[in-house]
Amino acid sequence: GIQVEQSPPDLILQEGANSTLRCNFSDSVNNLQWFHQNPWGQLINLFYIPSGTKQNGRLSATTVATERYSLLYISSSQTTDSGVYFCAVEPNNAGNMLTFGGGTRLMVKP
Amino acid sequence: SAVISQKPSRDICQRGTSLTIQCQVDSQVTMMFWYRQQPGQSLTLIATANQGSEATYESGFVIDKFPISRPNLTFSTLTVSNMSPEDSSIYLCSVIAGVNEQFFGPGTRLTVL
Repeated sequence: GIQVEQSPPDLILQEGANSTLRCNFSDSVNNLQWFHQNPWGQLINLFYIPSGTKQNGRLSATTVATERYSLLYISSSQTTDSGVYFCAVEPNNAGNMLTFGGGTRLMVKP
Repeated sequence: SAVISQKPSRDICQRGTSLTIQCQVDSQVTMMFWYRQQPGQSLTLIATANQGSEATYESGFVIDKFPISRPNLTFSTLTVSNMSPEDSSIYLCSVIAGVNEQFFGPGTRLTVL
């Protein structure tokens, strides 16, 4: 099956710093989503981004489908950004089923 | 988007028992899924809950262990049967809404003693 790798696995930031999270995938995909899992376990949708660039406040994401990677940018990080960030992809012919990467665990210190 | 609720939100169970988790959506949806997240791990798809027919299970998951019901387009249940401590996980349901975007319920945190 498709492989989804996220980097870095762990990241510690000082409040106000910027960061880039990366998601590499091994095959063509129909769909790519970024999620934030907060400390209570809730998965929050950040971006639905099979290709192109989107921005939402301090967050933005870019997916280059032809090169099989996606990037999530966090600017001016806040302590509330802490948690785990997951990239999930839907391979071609997968019937909407998502394969998750291993996640990036982010801690933002005040 | 879709508003999804799950019951119970958490439970502590004894080994050998079974727990049924409910997932309710505020609108009719075609696709519903069940995922498992073991402690410190990523999410793994258990099965697709099909309305009116048997669920479709992923490799490593079987109906006898994780029976699923989907009586209508807004509701599904997942049962974790004959539980062992290895079943301690967060169980999440998800739906497809909008263009092709998947949304997740708040999860059920299960601890098996």
